[in-house]
Amino acid sequence: EAQVTQNPRYLITVTGKKLTVTCSQNMNHEYMSWYRQDPGLGLRQIYYSMNVEVTDKGDVPEGYKVSRKEKRNFPLILESPSPNQTSLYFCASSPGPRAFEQYFGPGTRLTVT
Amino acid sequence: TQLLEQSPQFLSIQEGENLTVYCNSSSVFSSLQWYRQEPGEGPVLLVTVVTGGEVKKLKRLTFQFGDARKDSSLHITAAQPGDTGLYLCAGENAGGTSYGKLTFGQGTILTVHP
Repeated sequence: EAQVTQNPRYLITVTGKKLTVTCSQNMNHEYMSWYRQDPGLGLRQIYYSMNVEVTDKGDVPEGYKVSRKEKRNFPLILESPSPNQTSLYFCASSPGPRAFEQYFGPGTRLTVT
Repeated sequence: TQLLEQSPQFLSIQEGENLTVYCNSSSVFSSLQWYRQEPGEGPVLLVTVVTGGEVKKLKRLTFQFGDARKDSSLHITAAQPGDTGLYLCAGENAGGTSYGKLTFGQGTILTVHP
């Protein structure tokens, strides 16, 4: 089944403890992206990647890192999480290399205490 | 940063009524996408419009892209309870240094009562 998977789906952590949220797609898509969704603010783009080894900042990249070593994987890294990074995170991919017609993962709910 | 203003934020209507959701910006977009999101799930693409003035229909849903590619609307005819959900518009940036970026509106929470 064609899909975008994220792990973990739920995560509660403490301030400063490094964490990684994984994202994988099995559709051979060029483009991948990370978003956070907060009430009243909608979805905001964190980072995106138009191809392997090519990443760029979205609108809210501060406090996050990404890497795109393989086409199928696009992990989101929080080196030192803070409470203001508590949010619902979505990974998405598209045949690309544009931000065109994206397929979203199921989301990761992160709580930082 | 490009902005997309989506309105209304909340819409509560009775089954059978018509409704329109608007997305407006001062920026030009390469494409405008509409997504629908159910609680606990990721957004699902409904339609993409790419040409100024384009109109697309999906059963009872009609999508329009403004002539200048700065705005879009979603019209639902004879709404049904199954249409209940969060509707999101998203604009694909029109090249330059922002190529690859996608900007979302704040979303419209639609509730259709039986």
